[in-house]
Formats: sequence, structure tokens, C-alpha cells
Amino acid sequence: GAGVSQSPRYKVAKRGQDVALRCDPISGHVSLFWYQQALGQGPEFLTYFQNEAQLDKSGLPSDRFFAERPEGSVSTLKIQRTQQEDSAVYLCASSSDLNSNQPQHFGDGTRLSIL
Amino acid sequence: AQTVTQSQPEMSVQEAETVTLSCTYDTSESNYYLFWYKQPPSRQMILVIRQEAYKQQNATENRFSVNFQKAAKSFSLKISDSQLGDTAMYFCAFMSNFGNEKLTFGTGTRLTIIP
Repeated sequence: GAGVSQSPRYKVAKRGQDVALRCDPISGHVSLFWYQQALGQGPEFLTYFQNEAQLDKSGLPSDRFFAERPEGSVSTLKIQRTQQEDSAVYLCASSSDLNSNQPQHFGDGTRLSIL
Repeated sequence: AQTVTQSQPEMSVQEAETVTLSCTYDTSESNYYLFWYKQPPSRQMILVIRQEAYKQQNATENRFSVNFQKAAKSFSLKISDSQLGDTAMYFCAFMSNFGNEKLTFGTGTRLTIIP
């Protein structure tokens, strides 16, 4: 595909359920990022992958959040035992190489609502 | 840690007029990147313009230009001849030139272009 693809676009879950959010980066992009965007706020960094290696997970808010990218392409963000404060838009972004002058390309995000 | 501040939560301007969005940031680094992203209701983050801190010349992209004041740590966005399609949230973002390429975003400015 031409851009970063995220699925599902909307997800509604009951408090306590587990959810999985998927990100398909642009083909060949080495770097992949997850951000969390609360209503009315700017995105906040969650975690970063370089190929299949998770190099930074300092932004994950708790051990209920887990991300993986096992083959260096598709990534999944999993949230266990969801809480209402997890409600947000989850954005995925990818960039083509390790050079900082390559911009990040964002997907449309997944809007997660916890009831 | 870096911080990005956008002090204008909302702005509006008549179509065809010029508008300037403000952004200040705080960092101890000397080399870094600054960005303006646009987020329409569709949620996808779209890169508007970027500036490399070591370049003194202000970046321009068609109707969009920046006023980068490194000493003042200020990075404002000017939109000339504003169009209805410019209506969106605008986020200022910082990227370090060291290690992880995560973006640090401001809280955003909601810009409305009035026909």
C-alpha cells in the first residue's frame, strides 16, 4: 500500500477486556513508532522499533501495554485488562531509515473506547 | 527532556488572509529538527513543513513558511492566502538528532478558516 495502514479504525471494548491494534507500515520502512493521543491533546510517544528490535518502550504507561514487531514489518500493540483511561486514538508512524531527516508517515489511527 | 508549548488553543481567520501559529520549545541540545503537522478530522497526521536547527534559513513550502528563532527557541508557522482546506488541528513537534527519533508534540492549535 501507499501509506501506513491501521486496523481497526474504531474499537469498542468493555473494561477489563484485552485488545490488539494492528499497524502495517510503508513497505521497507525500518522505523516504526506508536503514539497515544488523548482527546484534545497532542500525540504522546509510546514505543519505537527499528526493524524487529524494540529499542525504546519508555512511553508505555504500564505493564498492561505490550508491542511487538516480530518480522520487522507489521506491528501489534496489545493492551491487557483495559481501563477507561486507555480510551484514546492510537497512532502508528513509520520512517524509511535511521537518518533523522526522514519524516515520519502516520496512519489514520485507531480510536479505542473503553466502556 | 524536551517540551513543546503551543499557547493558542484556537484561532480563526478569514479565507485568503494570513495567519501565524506560535510554538516555543525547550531543549539543551544544539542540533535537532522541528516540524509542523496538520491533523484534519480524518485524524491522519500530515507533515506540513520541517526545519533543521543547524540551518539558519527559514523553511518554506508553497503557502507555508516558518519563522525559526533558535536563540529564543521559537518556531512559528505562517499560512498565507489561507484556504478552507487549511481548517485542521496544527501540531508543532520536536525531534532530537540523537538516538531515538521519537517526536515530542505540543498540545495543538485548532485553526478554522472562515469562508
